[in-house]
Amino acid sequence: ETGVTQSPTHLIKTRGQQVTLRCSSQSGHNTVSWYQQALGQGPQFIFQYYREEENGRGNFPPRFSGLQFPNYSSELNVNALELDDSALYLCASREWTGELFFGEGSRLTVL
Amino acid sequence: TQLLEQSPQFLSIQEGENLTVYCNSSSVFSSLQWYRQEPGEGPVLLVTVVTGGEVKKLKRLTFQFGDARKDSSLHITAAQPGDTGLYLCAGLNTGGFKTIFGAGTRLFVKA
Repeated sequence: ETGVTQSPTHLIKTRGQQVTLRCSSQSGHNTVSWYQQALGQGPQFIFQYYREEENGRGNFPPRFSGLQFPNYSSELNVNALELDDSALYLCASREWTGELFFGEGSRLTVL
Repeated sequence: TQLLEQSPQFLSIQEGENLTVYCNSSSVFSSLQWYRQEPGEGPVLLVTVVTGGEVKKLKRLTFQFGDARKDSSLHITAAQPGDTGLYLCAGLNTGGFKTIFGAGTRLFVKA
């Protein structure tokens, strides 16, 4: 039990739509990271939030955006969905050592 | 760009056999972690190695961090069907704010 919960667990969208994924992070961890994991691949770093500010970003376009709230929960927003956005989206709370504690993920299917 | 390459990508062995999974990079990492992921779930942390040359043991699993902190290996002794899963190595960049993942090694242990 990592203490990280994500919602929704599964969702289906169509191209061009927008989606918001949510994450409640483990108590005491003020850093949250988001990853995209395509089928058969390792997780790809999207971005990271520390104390409500983005402090690191991977190679993802601006239509991937996020928020972190004062209670350290977080959202990932994706605009103008494309078919290739279909993936498992993972949220992780992060220790200062870099260790990540993942939720079970939100599986997004874009049709 | 820091990259982690894992090999092999896929491994199918009989129960009782030994195996080694490799994680290599041309970059130096502050620390390196190994995770295990089962279908439909997020990755779960197995171990973190920090010091070059460090060796850690977790029951039948032995983890080693290269002297130069660029590579790591995971050795499993007497594999069991319960070891089946996706094994991911992940490195914390020297800036300390981003953890990147390898593509993973999918292990299948047959009874």
